[in-house]
Amino acid sequence: AQKITQTQPGMFVQEKEAVTLDCTYDTSDQSYGLFWYKQPSSGEMIFLIYQGSYDEQNATEGRYSLNFQKARKSANLVISASQLGDSAMYFCAMREGHDAGGTSYGKLTFGQGTILTVHP
Amino acid sequence: NAGVTQTPKFQVLKTGQSMTLQCAQDMNHNSMYWYRQDPGMGLRLIYYSASEGTTDKGEVPNGYNVSRLNKREFSLRLESAAPSQTSVYFCASSEWLAGVPETQYFGPGTRLLVL
Repeated sequence: AQKITQTQPGMFVQEKEAVTLDCTYDTSDQSYGLFWYKQPSSGEMIFLIYQGSYDEQNATEGRYSLNFQKARKSANLVISASQLGDSAMYFCAMREGHDAGGTSYGKLTFGQGTILTVHP
Repeated sequence: NAGVTQTPKFQVLKTGQSMTLQCAQDMNHNSMYWYRQDPGMGLRLIYYSASEGTTDKGEVPNGYNVSRLNKREFSLRLESAAPSQTSVYFCASSEWLAGVPETQYFGPGTRLLVL
């Protein structure tokens, strides 16, 4: 079974509007982390936002917020006031659990990504 | 700070040739990773190194070997390249600190074409 599912291969949004990119995940761990990365056409991976499984508040970073619904196992990315520079591929990723010593090796499992196109 | 650097940026190999992809980080991170990204897909973990002196297999390790040369450097070797290894390879590093999200920072990637 897919651990991270991004059901939207492509999304379009008008400049200055908000857009939500969907991500659902599957894990039996109680402790896990959810990440969103942006990959522009230049290819680099840019960290956007993080949500820990025990965080009670939804994470926010500038125009990015994460709509975390733990019971539904979803971690949707909301981009407010879209800009042309937001056009890129967006990946949701999950880090599961820790070892017995409490250290996370940080291994990430990625979804297949959503291509976001912002229209002027 | 350069962050995570990778060399080369682009490489063309013939089937059966070998090569080593180099990765270095200057953030004093303990953990390092190698991922591959195939067209239209997310990244998949090849190998990782939780700390200097340790390496472990990830999701797709077949056909690859790694060496954690020291805390800064983590190399990926293809002993006998195959067309199925045509991909973009990303190196990443991270550090776990109590109470701080363990964010992975990625290098710019190496585009590998195996003919």
